[in-house]
Amino acid sequence: AQSVTQLDSQVPVFEEAPVELRCNYSSSVSVYLFWYVQYPNQGLQLLLKYLSGSTLVKGINGFEAEFNKSQTSFHLRKPSVHISDTAEYFCAVTQAAGNKLTFGGGTRVLVKP
Amino acid sequence: DTAVSQTPKYLVTQMGNDKSIKCEQNLGHDTMYWYKQDSKKFLKIMFSYNNKELIINETVPNRFSPKSPDKAHLNLHINSLELGDSAVYFCASSQESVDTQYFGPGTRLTVL
Repeated sequence: AQSVTQLDSQVPVFEEAPVELRCNYSSSVSVYLFWYVQYPNQGLQLLLKYLSGSTLVKGINGFEAEFNKSQTSFHLRKPSVHISDTAEYFCAVTQAAGNKLTFGGGTRVLVKP
Repeated sequence: DTAVSQTPKYLVTQMGNDKSIKCEQNLGHDTMYWYKQDSKKFLKIMFSYNNKELIINETVPNRFSPKSPDKAHLNLHINSLELGDSAVYFCASSQESVDTQYFGPGTRLTVL
């Protein structure tokens, strides 16, 4: 079985400041990792994913994440946030040989002017 | 062009009624999913179909029955609705089961 823990349920941040959203996973086998964003009253949209290769993954809208196998983490970062980054962010994991995406509980990012 | 569409966007109904939510994807994907997002934003998979065949059926009450008439459509029928069924239901699709999933806009179901 796999599980995902997002350590922060809410992260308030000022505009143009950096933000880091923490994600830890648990799995006994190799995994693929994803970050999705959900803007208010919308569906989820992929920000970035790690399947293999370089552990630093760059995504859309200036986001990046680093896969750390020893710490079973996949933290998401952005060096300078905008008001438009206000949204719910979900970390998700699936087993490399599996077919079920398991989501974390989400982190609400509120960007303040 | 809408990649994954759902109808209706909002659904308000009484306890005990039967309702359906429709989902269509025009991405040519082989796999489709239904998720339930509760009031605390927790997102959990309910069902997954690959080429019209059920491959994931989580511990969902059998009042929920998915139907896939073809690989571009996955509908969700719910019998005898209960208060606890109130949630946002998302449809999604992907080319492979481990690939990026594309989500629809969601259907907000409110059971009174």
